[in-house]
Amino acid sequence: KNEVEQSPQNLTAQEGEFITINCSYSVGISALHWLQQHPGGGIVSLFMLSSGKKKHGRLIATINIQEKHSSLHITASHPRDSAVYICAVRSDMRFGAGTRLTVKP
Amino acid sequence: SAVISQKPSRDICQRGTSLTIQCQVDSQVTMMFWYRQQPGQSLTLIATANQGSEATYESGFVIDKFPISRPNLTFSTLTVSNMSPEDSSIYLCSVDRTVNYGYTFGSGTRLTVV
Repeated sequence: KNEVEQSPQNLTAQEGEFITINCSYSVGISALHWLQQHPGGGIVSLFMLSSGKKKHGRLIATINIQEKHSSLHITASHPRDSAVYICAVRSDMRFGAGTRLTVKP
Repeated sequence: SAVISQKPSRDICQRGTSLTIQCQVDSQVTMMFWYRQQPGQSLTLIATANQGSEATYESGFVIDKFPISRPNLTFSTLTVSNMSPEDSSIYLCSVDRTVNYGYTFGSGTRLTVV
């Protein structure tokens, strides 16, 4: 069993829909990252959080340390949000397999 | 957060040859990390590069295959040596600025070995 599990693996949505991507982990962590990887391969760090909730524009990330679970939400999704979203936990930086999001116009 | 310039962005190489990937950071950092992302897979840490000492390699990665240089606090290179098609991957460098800012990644190098 992977130490960092993401769901779903693939997600297709219509423009404007509310998106949720989930991440569960089994190791002790000091923080959790949500990363965005575009088709070219480059990775952008969206959030680093160790408790509660963070919001940046249309993106919201939450974490429940007791339940070892985090979610990434995208409100009013747009085709430019299409990317692979990766959850990574700050325990020697372990990565989830990623969620490939496609937002159709 | 830090800005990392990674080169080349992509390359197609013949098997048996070597490719050196460069990462330049816009500020001094203690540790730089090199990752490999095989097709359809998540990121795997290759090694951690500290300035002034030999890189620390993860299990399954060896210095002869992936030599790393770290001549100063803003620059590092990763060489993929004696390449085979199995080395076709995206290679990324990363730095950990602080506990507040977290990780920053380079733009990645998409390597195809033919």
